[in-house]
Amino acid sequence: KNQVEQSPQSLIILEGKNCTLQCNYTVSPFSNLRWYKQDTGRGPVSLTIMTFSENTKSNGRYTATLDADTKQSSLHITASQLSDSASYICVVTGVPSGGSYIPTFGRGTSLIVHP
Amino acid sequence: DVKVTQSSRYLVKRTGEKVFLECVQDMDHENMFWYRQDPGLGLRLIYFSYDVKMKEKGDIPEGYSVSREKKERFSLILESASTNQTSMYLCASSEAGTANTGELFFGEGSRLTVL
Repeated sequence: KNQVEQSPQSLIILEGKNCTLQCNYTVSPFSNLRWYKQDTGRGPVSLTIMTFSENTKSNGRYTATLDADTKQSSLHITASQLSDSASYICVVTGVPSGGSYIPTFGRGTSLIVHP
Repeated sequence: DVKVTQSSRYLVKRTGEKVFLECVQDMDHENMFWYRQDPGLGLRLIYFSYDVKMKEKGDIPEGYSVSREKKERFSLILESASTNQTSMYLCASSEAGTANTGELFFGEGSRLTVL
């Protein structure tokens, strides 16, 4: 069964500090991996997409990495801001044998940034 | 700007009532999804649809049904609401086809409380 595991479950850091969130998956064959940010009371919004051939991708202060061999991804946040407080969800999409792409969701990491 | 609109942000219903959650997207997407999100469990797929009048069960379809009469609209129906259906409901849409990057566009969510 396809699974996506995220760690840690929750994280508290001080404003200005860096942090790294982890994602391990068993989805196969692999199509892409996305990190979503979900602010409290809102719907998730895509931050980055990683495909099989990509190792690193940045979006401002967010940098995602992918190791397709070990089936691991990380999301690194640099110089955290209060607005980074949110849930970060790792979503992996496999290659369907037929029909459409159905993504598999991790349970998310809840990040709190304190001033 | 792409948009997925959910008709109600907050609903309070009584046990046994019939509940309709409406979702409309303006991106001409083929795929539409309904998820529920509960603390510690992440997003779980209830139903999805990859075409008008087509529907497929997700991971937790029990107690729910859906309707997709038009491409832009996907409705989630709780025939007889129960307290264990108290949750945040998220609608999403995505493009179809082999070139699909898998990005989901989410609505703002509908928080349903069943008393």
